[in-house]
Amino acid sequence: EAQVTQNPRYLITVTGKKLTVTCSQNMNHEYMSWYRQDPGLGLRQIYYSMNVEVTDKGDVPEGYKVSRKEKRNFPLILESPSPNQTSLYFCASAPGQGDTQYFGPGTRLTVL
Amino acid sequence: TQLLEQSPQFLSIQEGENLTVYCNSSSVFSSLQWYRQEPGEGPVLLVTVVTGGEVKKLKRLTFQFGDARKDSSLHITAAQTGDTGLYLCAGARNFNKFYFGSGTKLNVKP
Repeated sequence: EAQVTQNPRYLITVTGKKLTVTCSQNMNHEYMSWYRQDPGLGLRQIYYSMNVEVTDKGDVPEGYKVSRKEKRNFPLILESPSPNQTSLYFCASAPGQGDTQYFGPGTRLTVL
Repeated sequence: TQLLEQSPQFLSIQEGENLTVYCNSSSVFSSLQWYRQEPGEGPVLLVTVVTGGEVKKLKRLTFQFGDARKDSSLHITAAQTGDTGLYLCAGARNFNKFYFGSGTKLNVKP
């Protein structure tokens, strides 16, 4: 089944403890992206990647890192999480730029 | 400040009524997308409009892209309870960077 998977789905952590949220797609898509969704703000793009080893900042990249070493995976890294990064995070992939984005199920992160 | 202003934020209507959701910006976008999101799930793309003035229809849903490619509207005719959900517009810059509106929560009552 074609899908975007994220792990974990739920995570509660403490300030400063490094964490990684994984994202994987099995559709051989070139484009992948990370978003955060907060009440009243819609989705905001964090980082995106147009292909392996090609990443660029979205609208709210501060406090986040990404890597794209393989086409199927696009992990989101929080080196030192803070409470203002508490949010619902979505990963998305698309065949290429401008194509339909397919979203993962989301990861709800709470930073205490 | 949101780059894309979406209105209304909330809409509660009776089944059979018509409604329009607006998405406005002072910026030009290369394309404009509309998504629908159910609770606990990721957004699902409804339509992408690319050309200024473009109108697309998807059954009872009509999408329009403004002539200047700065705004868009979603019109639903004869709403059904199954249309209930969160509707999001998203403008793309260079087809890579996406800016979402804050969303319209639609509730269609039977």
